[in-house]
Amino acid sequence: DIVMTQTPLFSPVTLGQPASISCRSSRSLVHSDGNTYLTWLQQRPGQPPRLLIDKISNRFSGVPDRFSGSGAGTDFTLKISRVEAEDVGVYYCMQATRFPYTFGQGTQLEIK
Amino acid sequence: EVQLVESGGDLVQPGGSLRLSCAASGFTFSNYWMHWVRQGPGKGLEWVSRIITDGSDTRYADSVKGRFTISRDNAKATVYLQMNSLRAEDTAVYYCVRERRSFGDWWGQGTLVTVSP
Repeated sequence: DIVMTQTPLFSPVTLGQPASISCRSSRSLVHSDGNTYLTWLQQRPGQPPRLLIDKISNRFSGVPDRFSGSGAGTDFTLKISRVEAEDVGVYYCMQATRFPYTFGQGTQLEIK
Repeated sequence: EVQLVESGGDLVQPGGSLRLSCAASGFTFSNYWMHWVRQGPGKGLEWVSRIITDGSDTRYADSVKGRFTISRDNAKATVYLQMNSLRAEDTAVYYCVRERRSFGDWWGQGTLVTVSP
């Protein structure tokens, strides 16, 4: 199975400041079709997860442009340019390149 | 409006069985792969199973293989998860998730399964 490793696991951030979460996979996430199925999800307290970004950098409909994704191969990053109060929650990376789909451990984002 | 509504979660004894349902509406259900993803209490997300559009191919996490069965009824726009030989470690909120161009573009609210004597 592909292991997804996120850092940090806990990220206290000041409102208006940037935040960054890294995700590393144990194997390349490049699919045989040429796509890289690396997804970022946000889970606010008490809510189901919500899709933020897929295929490394494609922001999903309705996701603010302060969220951006980057990376390639085995190393990926989610950046929030200016953290807002509504961004509090847990962020997960996950891979949908190979079965079983696997998730990172999650990164708890909180406001300082 | 897109909706995925899970049901069937309950308290069940170890070794018992349960069938979860996820009723879909607001989109063409038969065009989507469907997944179950679970989240143990205070824990992260774990992918459980996937079924393709016509039900002819299914995949499972090793942790549930041989015990859980995913199925779908496109006429009823519903996906199911039959869970047998339940264990304490299966205790979780089970989410129904759709995938077409993107995994997880819509999630249900989840249904709680508790396995305890």
